[in-house]
Amino acid sequence: RKEVEQDPGPFNVPEGATVAFNCTYSNSASQSFFWYRQDCRKEPKLLMSVYSSGNEDGRFTAQLNRASQYISLLIRDSKLSDSATYLCVVNHGGGSYIPTFGRGTSLIVHP
Amino acid sequence: GAVVSQHPSRVICKSGTSVKIECRSLDFQATTMFWYRQFPKQSLMLMATSNEGSKATYEQGVEKDKFLINHASLTLSTLTVTSAHPEDSSFYICSARGAQGVISPLHFGNGTRLTVT
Repeated sequence: RKEVEQDPGPFNVPEGATVAFNCTYSNSASQSFFWYRQDCRKEPKLLMSVYSSGNEDGRFTAQLNRASQYISLLIRDSKLSDSATYLCVVNHGGGSYIPTFGRGTSLIVHP
Repeated sequence: GAVVSQHPSRVICKSGTSVKIECRSLDFQATTMFWYRQFPKQSLMLMATSNEGSKATYEQGVEKDKFLINHASLTLSTLTVTSAHPEDSSFYICSARGAQGVISPLHFGNGTRLTVT
């Protein structure tokens, strides 16, 4: 089992739709969690951190479920510009805290 | 804040030559930097972790003598691809994490697209 798993998609949704991605992690000692977006041939950019109580930033809502070991990202009112690959990143505890990336979920928002 | 600058953004070199890629944290001190490689349509692959003032830790399968990493200061890490071959052509991305440790998000450089002819 991979340490961090994501459905690669693609998720094809119309503008204005609400879409949600999940990311599961295997290490119960994981300590911090993030969502990044990566556009084609570009570097990943931080979208938002994920806090235990859940957090929202505009149209984006992130949640953490420690019991089931997954994080989620909800995008409301999708825009064409939201088309990208969404990466979840999990930092494990102990030692060097090497961040582990999921393989990413591709989102395509169409008119 | 938290800007990471990577240079060059694109390089084309001949087989057998060496290429140095620089990664700088511009407005914060980066105690830990990570180097990744990404092939088209694939996920980021961690190559190595470098900590300021100590040797880099390489992931399994990454040749430390081929990919030389130096993290001599809190704001600069370099990756040198030695004796480059066409199969080394890839997108190389560095990232830096600040002194807050595990709770700090990664900040990425804008990547270096290496083409070896």
